[in-house]
Amino acid sequence: DSGVTQTPKHLITATGQRVTLRCSPRSGDLSVYWYQQSLDQGLQFLIQYYNGEERAKGNILERFSAQQFPDLHSELNLSSLELGDSALYFCASSVRPAGELFFGEGSRLTVL
Amino acid sequence: AQRVTQPEKLLSVFKGAPVELKCNYSYSGSPELFWYVQYSRQRLQLLLRHISRESIKGFTADLNKGETSFHLKKPFAQEEDSAMYYCALSEGSNIRLTFGKGTLLTVNP
Repeated sequence: DSGVTQTPKHLITATGQRVTLRCSPRSGDLSVYWYQQSLDQGLQFLIQYYNGEERAKGNILERFSAQQFPDLHSELNLSSLELGDSALYFCASSVRPAGELFFGEGSRLTVL
Repeated sequence: AQRVTQPEKLLSVFKGAPVELKCNYSYSGSPELFWYVQYSRQRLQLLLRHISRESIKGFTADLNKGETSFHLKKPFAQEEDSAMYYCALSEGSNIRLTFGKGTLLTVNP
């Protein structure tokens, strides 16, 4: 499958812990986006990278950080986890900043 | 700040009936509007975008700047149209997409 891949698919952890979510964009896509989906908030834009550089920032908490590596994969780091961080985290990629977004299947994080 | 509102969380229609999923937006500039769809056990994917003005799977959407709406319509719903539909807005050339909370469409036989 040459689409957007996200790992892990599911993750259960405890409050106060730190986790890293990984995203590999489609081959050739330079832009990577992270979204958080929770039941009451819908899809919330977190952050966007283009060719390794941060391009746009949304409602991303200071406890969260992300980066895009030279091979274009991206990681979203979530620290000091709280119960409210439980959500589905989507990664998407596009060829260019104004292109169609292609989504991964998401990483479901459960914080107990 | 831009905002996208989908007033209906759930919408249920019968097969063959017309369907309209509502989307209203607030944005001061010239927006680009999109509809994304997520079928059961599939990824979120683009259904259509207003600049292409095309019909996909029988769905159309017209941007009404006066009413700040981008409603999705289909004259005759099919069971395979059952899915979660998200309206989204982009700030022009910056693809930062703002999504609505989605509408779950169920088409009954």
